[in-house]
Amino acid sequence: DAGVIQSPRHEVTEMGQEVTLRCKPISGHNSLFWYRQTMMRGLELLIYFNNNVPIDDSGMPEDRFSAKMPNASFSTLKIQPSEPRDSAVYFCASGTGPSYEQYFGPGTRLTVT
Amino acid sequence: GENVEQHPSTLSVQEGDSAVIKCTYSDSASNYFPWYKQELGKGPQLIIDIRSNVGEKKDQRIAVTLNKTAKHFSLHITETQPEDSAVYFCAASSDFYFGSGTKLNVKP
Repeated sequence: DAGVIQSPRHEVTEMGQEVTLRCKPISGHNSLFWYRQTMMRGLELLIYFNNNVPIDDSGMPEDRFSAKMPNASFSTLKIQPSEPRDSAVYFCASGTGPSYEQYFGPGTRLTVT
Repeated sequence: GENVEQHPSTLSVQEGDSAVIKCTYSDSASNYFPWYKQELGKGPQLIIDIRSNVGEKKDQRIAVTLNKTAKHFSLHITETQPEDSAVYFCAASSDFYFGSGTKLNVKP
């Protein structure tokens, strides 16, 4: 298996623009997680899906952030409009349940100028 | 919700020495405690985990110990090597809270 696939790997955009991050989880995994990593706040869970259904989105910073999982093999994290404080590395991870190993993707480094 | 505290934030050891990283958690319902290693430019990768029905687990040079009464667990790396240099994160199962990370530097 190729592991968790994220695209793009790097994204540079201007403030106010819409940003869409994409994730393909490992086949057979039924849990999917979106994290944000910054120096100041560390690794923060944004949202968690189980069987394509959002279970916990309490970590989503504000209404500018939204996430979808239309099927078991694809998820998106969208920021609209983007702001400089959204600059971070965004990780997608997949697994077989909340108390099992999570497999992380390589991350998307987002820079909002 | 869960609160996971990790210490130290940085750790520098000489090659061949041992390294210990400690985490405490607050939610007594947590039953799964993984440790992840993150190398520069990569996503975190699981290196060892432990469940609440076990007190200790070893995998070659890496071991994890769990004290459920005191609500703390530790990562032990013996015979450290330069390739062990990375950031290490602990986590507790409920709410997916990760510790703040420990940057380990192994000096050759």
